[in-house]
Amino acid sequence: EAGVTQSPTHLIKTRGQQATLRCSPISGHTSVYWYQQALGLGLQFLLWYDEGEERNRGNFPPRFSGRQFPNYSSELNVNALELEDSALYLCASSLAAGYNSPLHFGNGTRLTVT
Amino acid sequence: GENVEQHPSTLSVQEGDSAVIKCTYSDSASNYFPWYKQELGKRPQLIIDIRSNVGEKKDQRIAVTLNKTAKHFSLHITETQPEDSAVYFCAARSDYKLSFGAGTTVTVRA
Repeated sequence: EAGVTQSPTHLIKTRGQQATLRCSPISGHTSVYWYQQALGLGLQFLLWYDEGEERNRGNFPPRFSGRQFPNYSSELNVNALELEDSALYLCASSLAAGYNSPLHFGNGTRLTVT
Repeated sequence: GENVEQHPSTLSVQEGDSAVIKCTYSDSASNYFPWYKQELGKRPQLIIDIRSNVGEKKDQRIAVTLNKTAKHFSLHITETQPEDSAVYFCAARSDYKLSFGAGTTVTVRA
């Protein structure tokens, strides 16, 4: 069974640009979560999508946004990039909300903002 | 929202000894508590989880205990081995959102 896949592996942008990160969940999983892991810090919750809808978001500004497609894959967009957005962005998937099932993480996208 | 605190932030143990990591959570409605292990440069991987209707769960050298009254849960690793060296994260789920602790860097000395 293929795991959660994320692309690209690395992304280098300059301040003010936009970044788009992609995630494909495990087959059969309909919930997708995005987390930010800055160097030396824990995992900060960004967004949760389930059945194509945004269900919850963390304490991040509106320039962090995303969507979930009909095939349950997801995209995270970060507009007006700032230096402090440099981090590892992790996507995770799980069975539909309500099953209280574990999250399975992808390998992440390393975003560097210069 | 949920707030998860994790201690200690770093832990160094002699190979063969036990390691214990403790976490507290704030939302009494939290009902699911997983633990993840993240090796350097790799994805976080689930190592064990416990639900709020269970007080303890074991899987070989790993065990987790949950005290709902005190709102804390702990990870116990016995007979530590060099491959146990990693960052460990606890988490608590409330309102379908999984909130993580800040992590514990465990180093097993040979």
